[in-house]
Amino acid sequence: GAVVSQHPSWVICKSGTSVKIECRSLDFQATTMFWYRQFPKQSLMLMATSNEGSKATYEQGVEKDKFLINHASLTLSTLTVTSAHPEDSSFYICSTEGSGRAGNTDTQYFGPGTRLTVL
Amino acid sequence: RKEVEQDPGPFNVPEGATVAFNCTYSNSASQSFFWYRQDCRKEPKLLMSVYSSGNEDGRFTAQLNRASQYISLLIRDSKLSDSATYLCVVNRGAGSYQLTFGKGTKLSVIP
Repeated sequence: GAVVSQHPSWVICKSGTSVKIECRSLDFQATTMFWYRQFPKQSLMLMATSNEGSKATYEQGVEKDKFLINHASLTLSTLTVTSAHPEDSSFYICSTEGSGRAGNTDTQYFGPGTRLTVL
Repeated sequence: RKEVEQDPGPFNVPEGATVAFNCTYSNSASQSFFWYRQDCRKEPKLLMSVYSSGNEDGRFTAQLNRASQYISLLIRDSKLSDSATYLCVVNRGAGSYQLTFGKGTKLSVIP
């Protein structure tokens, strides 16, 4: 069964609105979660590393004030795309490092992704 | 140089064929290597980790050459269900869970 969930699975919004995406680890505690985005025909690009109880670490070129990350508990990280614009339309995927999961062998678990379309 | 480079394909092969994908990576500090598969509009799913000694999982064989910074994936007896994009993935360094993905190689297995 699913190990990591994301909500919503897709969202369509108007330009200028903010969108919140949730990422949950379902049967284990995840100290660290990662946020990626993938544009069509491109590779997944790491946006930020989210650590429970501390500030996220953003990759070069990713605006921290535009992509707000909150990792307030060991099972939930949220990504908020503030004032979304059409160029933010992408597939956003979270993942967790699974060291807190029984039987983990250095595996990383990916959520099913959220497809954001900004009109 | 791209961090992880793959031939984008597409590779169109008949059922039962053997197909090989290659990948090169630029970060010599990378310690963990993987092949993921990604179906259209879905999240990537781990196919297999890649070890220096080479490893096999059923019809899939992965090889790693650290000196050349080269990773390969061989699929034998291709099935229709193998049609997907195959992503070469490396980590950023010892103990790092941060991953760098290649753009992927698209495989279509034709009946």
